[in-house]
Amino acid sequence: DARVTQTPRHKVTEMGQEVTMRCQPILGHNTVFWYRQTMMQGLELLAYFRNRAPLDDSGMPKDRFSAEMPDATLATLKIQPSEPRDSAVYFCASGLPLREGPNHEQFFGPGTRLTVL
Amino acid sequence: AQKVTQAQTEISVVEKEDVTLDCVYETRDTTYYLFWYKQPPSGELVFLIRRNSFDEQNEISGRYSWNFQKSTSSFNFTITASQVVDSAVYFCALSEAPGSARQLTFGSGTQLTVLP
Repeated sequence: DARVTQTPRHKVTEMGQEVTMRCQPILGHNTVFWYRQTMMQGLELLAYFRNRAPLDDSGMPKDRFSAEMPDATLATLKIQPSEPRDSAVYFCASGLPLREGPNHEQFFGPGTRLTVL
Repeated sequence: AQKVTQAQTEISVVEKEDVTLDCVYETRDTTYYLFWYKQPPSGELVFLIRRNSFDEQNEISGRYSWNFQKSTSSFNFTITASQVVDSAVYFCALSEAPGSARQLTFGSGTQLTVLP
């Protein structure tokens, strides 16, 4: 049963600390997405990758957020330094594009619930 | 700019009732994709359907059906004979034309509660 996995599932940290969230996409999927869900903003697309290359990270605050894919089985989202307003659930999703762009079925991970105190 | 509106914040029905979740979208593109996702209380997001703007044929999948009408920019979702397990937040989303790196824009979600 192929699934997207995310670690950690929950993270509580103090303001100013670095946070790293990890995602393992479904084997064979070549697109990876990072989303953030908050009560105020709802669901937002932060970044997405195809074949490990970042295609769009316009939704991500550049000064503190960074997203990478060190290899095809691992995607990371880092926040440094973290702030209380970063508290949210961060979802990773993977998929296979029918065409270019994020226009295809995406399989979501369980999310990382981040709390920044 | 694209926008997705789900005017119904919360809906509560009794089991076996039919329920329709509304979704209205705005986009300047002629080519776009519409999605519905389900988020049960456990928190994960589950993909339900993708529809492209050239295909206005309504779709039925078991108890689920979708009504896409370009004339009214709506993509409504109906659950027939609702069940308690259908209780979740349902999100409608829009993505613009392929070939460019565009965002997937979500609506604010509709919380559906199905009572036994």
